[in-house]
Amino acid sequence: QSVLTQPPSASGTPGQRVTISCSGSNSNIGSSIVNWYQQFPGTAPKLLIYSNNQRPSRVPDRFSGSKSGTSASLAISGLQSEDEADYYCAAWDDSLNGVLFGGGTKLTVL
Amino acid sequence: QPQLQESGPGLVKPSETLSLTCNVSGGSISSRDFYWGWVRQPPGKGLEWIGSIYHSGRTYYNPSLNSRVTINVETSKNQFSLRLSPVTATDTAVYYCARRDIAAIPAAKTGWFDTWGQGTLVTVSS
Repeated sequence: QSVLTQPPSASGTPGQRVTISCSGSNSNIGSSIVNWYQQFPGTAPKLLIYSNNQRPSRVPDRFSGSKSGTSASLAISGLQSEDEADYYCAAWDDSLNGVLFGGGTKLTVL
Repeated sequence: QPQLQESGPGLVKPSETLSLTCNVSGGSISSRDFYWGWVRQPPGKGLEWIGSIYHSGRTYYNPSLNSRVTINVETSKNQFSLRLSPVTATDTAVYYCARRDIAAIPAAKTGWFDTWGQGTLVTVSS
């Protein structure tokens, strides 16, 4: 099944650690790397995590990614107000023969 | 760091053709390290991959759009384009062009979108 499932919303207070899950299948996460994108309202997405757990140099180490089997997670530690954004996971899907995005998770910092 | 810029009409009539161009500056579209793609986002909704192209012309399309979409590359102009036809109101979205880095493992299924254009809103309406 060519679907990446994310919770529609997540929340936390400043300083907390939050995780966002991304559930897939053997045709996508199970056989491909996972990437994460961060998007602020009205702006283009930005690469946040690539190749499961790698961070571009500009991304703070408060952000981390992991993958196990057919699921992946994005963790944000030391939550800050500026982390409030939408987060998307993505992976190549062998059945689709293309890129699959998760539905997105809206993170609210309380 | 390269820059990508989308251009094209912001309003398209139903049943007609949506045409967008992505101009790439600060890097060569002929580099073997990258695919080039289109991603769209309907208002208030999530991201949807449309398709990707290599400088050789090799393309991958989202099967849900396959019969309506064409992506071309013009290496001499350092740009690539999107055509979607015919369009309906459900094609109303912000359209992004993006660069997909495959340098680590050169294959279409690897990689990540590391650079994005600012996006352009295309509304389908009569």
